[in-house]
Amino acid sequence: EDKVVQSPLSLVVHEGDTVTLNCSYEVTNFRSLLWYKQEKKAPTFLFMLTSSGIEKKSGRLSSILDKKELFSILNITATQTGDSAIYLCAVCNNFNKFYFGSGTKLNVKP
Amino acid sequence: DAGITQSPRHKVTETGTPVTLRCHQTENHRYMYWYRQDPGHGLRLIHYSYGVKDTDKGEVSDGYSVSRSKTEDFLLTLESATSSQTSVYFCAISGSNPATFSGNTIYFGEGSWLTVV
Repeated sequence: EDKVVQSPLSLVVHEGDTVTLNCSYEVTNFRSLLWYKQEKKAPTFLFMLTSSGIEKKSGRLSSILDKKELFSILNITATQTGDSAIYLCAVCNNFNKFYFGSGTKLNVKP
Repeated sequence: DAGITQSPRHKVTETGTPVTLRCHQTENHRYMYWYRQDPGHGLRLIHYSYGVKDTDKGEVSDGYSVSRSKTEDFLLTLESATSSQTSVYFCAISGSNPATFSGNTIYFGEGSWLTVV
C-alpha cells in the first residue's frame, strides 16, 4: 500500500527558531515529491524534488530529498508568525497519482 | 492562481440526499482529482480522472461517483449523503510546472465545505 508519513504532527516554536519537518514515503513508481503550505484555504505549492541530494531553496525555506532512504525534509529558518500553517508532503507516481501525508501543523508564537 | 472553480462553496444537506459538487478548470489539463480533507487525515484521494470519460478510484471512493464528459468539468456525486461525508472537498488539476519544466505539479481549487445533517 502506497503511503506518505509526516512527522511531527504538530509543532509549536517561537519566532526566530529553526524547524525541520519530516516526510517519509513508500510509493511505487516514484516520480516526484512535493511540499505544500496550507493556511486557511487551499494548499499552495512550495517545492518539487525529483533527484536525491539537490537542495531546493526559497528564501528561508529549503528542502532536500533522499531517494535511497525514501524521505525528505523541509527546513524553515528564522521562523515568523506568518509561517504558521499546515505543511503537506505529497508524492507523485508515474501515473500522476498524488499521495499526501497527514500534514504537520506549525504554530509560530511571537 | 490556477483556473479552478468549485461549486457550491458551502452546502448543508440532509442525510440520504444526493449531492453533486462541480469542478471547472480553464487550464486544459488532462488530470483532475477530488480529495477530501479531515482533521488528522490530511488529503485523501476520492477519485481521479486521466482524460474525458477516464476515471479511477482513490483510497476513499466508497459512497462517491464521478463523471467527466468534458476536459474542463469533473463532477463528484455523493449518491446518498451520510454524516461521515461531512468534510472539505478539494478539486485539483495536474499539469506541467513551468518553473521546473519537469514532472507535474498539482493545483487546488478553493474547496467546498459540505455538512451532512
